[in-house]
Amino acid sequence: NAGVTQTPKFQVLKTGQSMTLQCAQDMNHNSMYWYRQDPGMGLRLIYYSASEGTTDKGEVPNGYNVSRLNKREFSLRLESAAPSQTSVYFCASSVQRGSTDTQYFGPGTRLTVL
Amino acid sequence: GENVEQHPSTLSVQEGDSAVIKCTYSDSASNYFPWYKQELGKGPQLIIDIRSNVGEKKDQRIAVTLNKTAKHFSLHITETQPEDSAVYFCAASQGTGANNLFFGTGTRLTVIP
Repeated sequence: NAGVTQTPKFQVLKTGQSMTLQCAQDMNHNSMYWYRQDPGMGLRLIYYSASEGTTDKGEVPNGYNVSRLNKREFSLRLESAAPSQTSVYFCASSVQRGSTDTQYFGPGTRLTVL
Repeated sequence: GENVEQHPSTLSVQEGDSAVIKCTYSDSASNYFPWYKQELGKGPQLIIDIRSNVGEKKDQRIAVTLNKTAKHFSLHITETQPEDSAVYFCAASQGTGANNLFFGTGTRLTVIP
């Protein structure tokens, strides 16, 4: 199993450009998530998808859109990138074990917006 | 919403010594407290967690303690090894869904051989 994979690993954009970050998991998990990680801050949830066909906003959704393409794939789109979106983006998926969701994270995408 | 504070931000220990990382949370309704380890260039990985009906949980060299009254929880690593060097994050949530997780700001642990 590859687990959670993300592409690309690194990306540099100019202000106003658009791009899509890709995420896929091969663990047959129902739930998937997108986080951003900024220096001196913990991970913050952007969007999540509890199951195929559903998406919901997290703590910091402004400036982003998501698509749950199928059970495996969950993409994050920046329509018009801004320097404030410079960050490391992590995708995760989760499975319920007992009474708790256990998350598995991808390796991250480091995005710089100039 | 929930506010999770984590201390210290950096911690250096000699190999074989113990390391302790502390977190406080603000929402008394939070009942699930996981800890994650993030190695350089990788995503966070769950290493141990605790629910609010338990005061302490151990897994080999790592343990987590929870004080619900004071609203704080701690990660203890004993007999530290160089491979324990990483950034550690605490988190808190209500309920069982991971969509309610609020993370601390992280502690960079360095174990000096």
